Amino acid sequence: SAVISQKPSRDICQRGTSLTIQCQVDSQVTMMFWYRQQPGQSLTLIATANQGSEATYESGFVIDKFPISRPNLTFSTLTVSNMSPEDSSIYLCSLSTGGGYTFGSGTRLTVV
Amino acid sequence: GQQLNQSPQSMFIQEGEDVSMNCTSSSIFNTWLWYKQDPGEGPVLLIALYKAGELTSNGRLTAQFGITRKDSFLNISASIPSDVGIYFCAGPMNRDDKIIFGKGTRLHILP
Repeated sequence: SAVISQKPSRDICQRGTSLTIQCQVDSQVTMMFWYRQQPGQSLTLIATANQGSEATYESGFVIDKFPISRPNLTFSTLTVSNMSPEDSSIYLCSLSTGGGYTFGSGTRLTVV
Repeated sequence: GQQLNQSPQSMFIQEGEDVSMNCTSSSIFNTWLWYKQDPGEGPVLLIALYKAGELTSNGRLTAQFGITRKDSFLNISASIPSDVGIYFCAGPMNRDDKIIFGKGTRLHILP
């Protein structure tokens, strides 16, 4: 199955700044997904990223706050913009692998 | 919209005990997925179920796709310390590839 490399694995950021998270896949995939996992909570889908088109955002998530890039079929980035402590979460990328979904190891973000 | 209700929220068991957890939905699912998340890691797929009534095993883990297609359960037999973690049920939203997750069952094993 596909292998996802996600980085950074963790970061501590100042409020008001932005952080860009990268996901690299070792094979070409059409759709990639970005999830947020708030402390002690389940995973919530932020958006779906297709190559060559704008990301599709779920209710409660907007492009200005979470801009996503998908320049090719093996790479995607998620930016958490103008961060506040409420953005402290684990952010995960994911892709469908025909039988299940594979996740990156996550980026643990702490905003201070 | 579709929701997944997972229970119990947490479990404290002795090593060697069997574990059972379940997931119910407000609507029909065509696929049920069970994941485990270790601390500091992303979720890892344990078992995928595609047909109502299907019973699938993966080592000491067994999962079943409910006949009504609105529920699924996961059993772990003879638990060991490395079974500690959070177990999530998940399924695809409607007809697209997006999946939603239950709130998870946190499994603790008492020394």
